[in-house]
Amino acid sequence: TQLLEQSPQFLSIQEGENLTVYCNSSSVFSSLQWYRQEPGEGPVLLVTVVTGGEVKKLKRLTFQFGDARKDSSLHITAAQPGDTGLYLCAKGGKLIFGQGTELSVKP
Amino acid sequence: DVKVTQSSRYLVKRTGEKVFLECVQDMDHENMFWYRQDPGLGLRLIYFSYDVKMKEKGDIPEGYSVSREKKERFSLILESASTNQTSMYLCASSSNMGWGAMNTEAFFGQGTRLTVV
Repeated sequence: TQLLEQSPQFLSIQEGENLTVYCNSSSVFSSLQWYRQEPGEGPVLLVTVVTGGEVKKLKRLTFQFGDARKDSSLHITAAQPGDTGLYLCAKGGKLIFGQGTELSVKP
Repeated sequence: DVKVTQSSRYLVKRTGEKVFLECVQDMDHENMFWYRQDPGLGLRLIYFSYDVKMKEKGDIPEGYSVSREKKERFSLILESASTNQTSMYLCASSSNMGWGAMNTEAFFGQGTRLTVV
């Protein structure tokens, strides 16, 4: 049973486009993390959100935690080929992951 | 520079063999994790450990066991390897400092790609 549902599973876009990735659950979380994984490497933490309604920005990436703390989104503005990778959301603590969103940004 | 090191990047084993995957971290972390990663399924938790000699089952522990005799080392054991255990295996560690706050960062190794033939 997947505790966290991510959508879309695959995303292929052109450089300069905007995109949003979603992470949803029926459970309430005390915190949620977003990781990015490049081919041949382990995931690396991008951000942790802990407060309902919280918004965090990391350059062109904007992360939001839902008011009810059951969902989160990652928005990328003006995507670049270097953003290509697997984006994973995870429930904090025991670290249960969603199935990931495979993003490909073409030049 | 913090590090989680997995003993092998690539491993090929025969069906029925006993397989050991080793993971070492140098950050004095209390928590250690073993995941397997398959396309479209993300990372699925096999086992985790929150202290030496302590372990808890994750979502898919069947066919696996673990050992944590020292704080820095967490081993994953496939008692009798089968072809459906062909996968990428990832080890991670995190500090227990924020366990209650659920917001500590996990650091991952580069993974071991295991093929069982």
